[in-house]
This record gives sequence, structure tokens and C-alpha cells, in this order.
Amino acid sequence: EVQLVESGGGLVKPGGSLRLSCAASGFTFSSYMMNWVRQAPGKGLEWISSIGGDDGFIYYADSVKGRLTVSRDNAKNSLYLQMNSLRAEDTAVYYCAKRLSTGTSLDYFDHWGQGTLVTVSS
Amino acid sequence: QSALTQPASVSGSPGQSITISCIGSNSDLGAYSYVSWYQQHPGKAPKLLIYYVTYRPSGVSNRFSGSKSGNTASLTISGLQAEDEADYYCSSFTSSSTLVFGGGTKVTVL
Repeated sequence: EVQLVESGGGLVKPGGSLRLSCAASGFTFSSYMMNWVRQAPGKGLEWISSIGGDDGFIYYADSVKGRLTVSRDNAKNSLYLQMNSLRAEDTAVYYCAKRLSTGTSLDYFDHWGQGTLVTVSS
Repeated sequence: QSALTQPASVSGSPGQSITISCIGSNSDLGAYSYVSWYQQHPGKAPKLLIYYVTYRPSGVSNRFSGSKSGNTASLTISGLQAEDEADYYCSSFTSSSTLVFGGGTKVTVL
């Protein structure tokens, strides 16, 4: 059974940093593009970043480029999101999600974690 | 990249069919068939309903169907059931090599 478990969320002051993690199990982690999607309270979904299985493809939304960095450790079956220079508008539930099939296209996410809440406030 | 445009809400009675539209541009829906739909119940993670415009993942009811014409994609829910009450999101790959979601549609079963 595929499982994705996010951690690392919490309360951080504006300008601060946070590192989110996503522990994956139940599939060959290194073969799949992994993704981060966030959802501000009461708002819709926003894709923010994706990383290919071998780190060869990395994509960011314009809204986070330069402040958030995605990475992965295939030996640990883990996905990460380093978040710097955080702003109030970064407050959201952050989900990690697995691509439906192997490959590097930005398209479909068939398994999602339960999400971790990041709150940016003074 | 602007979000895809979805109606804020759609409602229907049990057993009826409803259709949710998703309007994009020549840079996303009009250019690619990497269109998907997600269902999200309150407090839960999204669930993939439709991918590549019309395909359903294993386990998804055939009451859900997708289509696309030009810059507009659509999700149809037939035989509406109480459990279908949720938020629905479309998404598409874009020419900027990003992914964009729609603003979401709240489906209410009357």
C-alpha cells in the first residue's frame, strides 16, 4: 500500500525558515516524480514544485521560485521542501503527492499524504 | 500563470447528472491533453478522479467522466449521490512547464 506521510510543519515568523519532509513507502520511490501542492485555509489547490526520480527534472511555481527548494533522498525514500524567507501568504497545508506513473511529465498525482500545516505569523 | 476558471458552485438532486466546466487558455487546456480532475472532501487530501482528459484510475466510479473541447474541460457526474458532495478541482500542464489548478467547484447534493 502506498503511503505518504508529511512532517515538519508548524508556526514560523515571517522571514523564517522551515523544512518539510515526506516519508514514502509501498512503491519504488526512486522511479517516480514527486510533487508538493499546498492549500491555503479555505482556498484552492496550488502546485508549487516537482522533482524527477533522479533529480534530473525540477520545477517550481513562480510564486515560490528562489525561496523554496525541493530535494529528495532516494536511499531514505524521502522528499523534502526547504522553505526560506517565509511570508504570511505561504500559510497553508502542504501536501506531498506521487505521480501516477513513472516518467517526468507534470500531470497526475494518484497518491497524496495527509498534509502538514505551515503557519507564518508573528 | 493564472488559475483555470471553474464555477464556484454546482448543485443537483440525487440521481441527476451535473457538469463542471474548467476554462483555460491556449497555453494550457488548449495546447495539452494533460488534464485531470480531483475530488476533495472537507479535511481530506485530494483524490484523483480523471486523468489525461478521460481516463479513470482503478477504483473510481464510472459515474465520473471527463471531456475536453478547445480551451474548456468538463467533468460530468452522473447518478449524483450524497457522497459526491465535495470540492472538485481541474488541473492542466502549461506551456511554462508548470502545473495549474482551477479555483475549485463546490458540489452540493440537494
